[in-house]
Amino acid sequence: GENVEQHPSTLSVQEGDSAVIKCTYSDSASNYFPWYKQELGKRPQLIIDIRSNVGEKKDQRIAVTLNKTAKHFSLHITETQPEDSAVYFCAATGTASKLTFGTGTRLQVTL
Amino acid sequence: DAGVTQSPTHLIKTRGQQVTLRCSPKSGHDTVSWYQQALGQGPQFIFQYYEEEERQRGNFPDRFSGHQFPNYSSELNVNALLLGDSALYLCASSLGLVSSYEQYFGPGTRLTVT
Repeated sequence: GENVEQHPSTLSVQEGDSAVIKCTYSDSASNYFPWYKQELGKRPQLIIDIRSNVGEKKDQRIAVTLNKTAKHFSLHITETQPEDSAVYFCAATGTASKLTFGTGTRLQVTL
Repeated sequence: DAGVTQSPTHLIKTRGQQVTLRCSPKSGHDTVSWYQQALGQGPQFIFQYYEEEERQRGNFPDRFSGHQFPNYSSELNVNALLLGDSALYLCASSLGLVSSYEQYFGPGTRLTVT
């Protein structure tokens, strides 16, 4: 089955700096890669996703890149703000929308 | 436009008991997936329902079972509860079985087994 690895497990940046979270996946058949943000005690919220037919997608301060050959994808957050502090999960689908999640990255944005 | 809802919010059960959790999908969605999220970990896929049938199953024992109703809502049942079943149970809804469709999560049910 699919296996997703995520790094780093924790990330601390100063407000205004950029943050990068990286994930690798094992199943070459995976074709959909969402990113979720989960604040303490809240539900995971879909913040951006990318499909295997594109290499990069951007939405305001958030961007995701995908390298199918290397089987890795990354989340980039620019101009970080305190409200970006949360746990971020990457995920991949092997077949029929069964999501396999990474282990999460706790992002802390300090003033 | 109603999002994904789950009930109850919290639940405390004793080892060996049985529990039923409920999920109503986002308006317009017809597929419900259930996930277990242990503390400090990512969600783990339990199973998925579409057209009232279990379509996919993760690596969970038969103590975990489910059901989907004609209105697309779903239940997750866990029998013979173990301490290790304590977790946040999330349901996610999506449209159809195509893997590229977005999944939206409900607020979860926090289950504590004592």
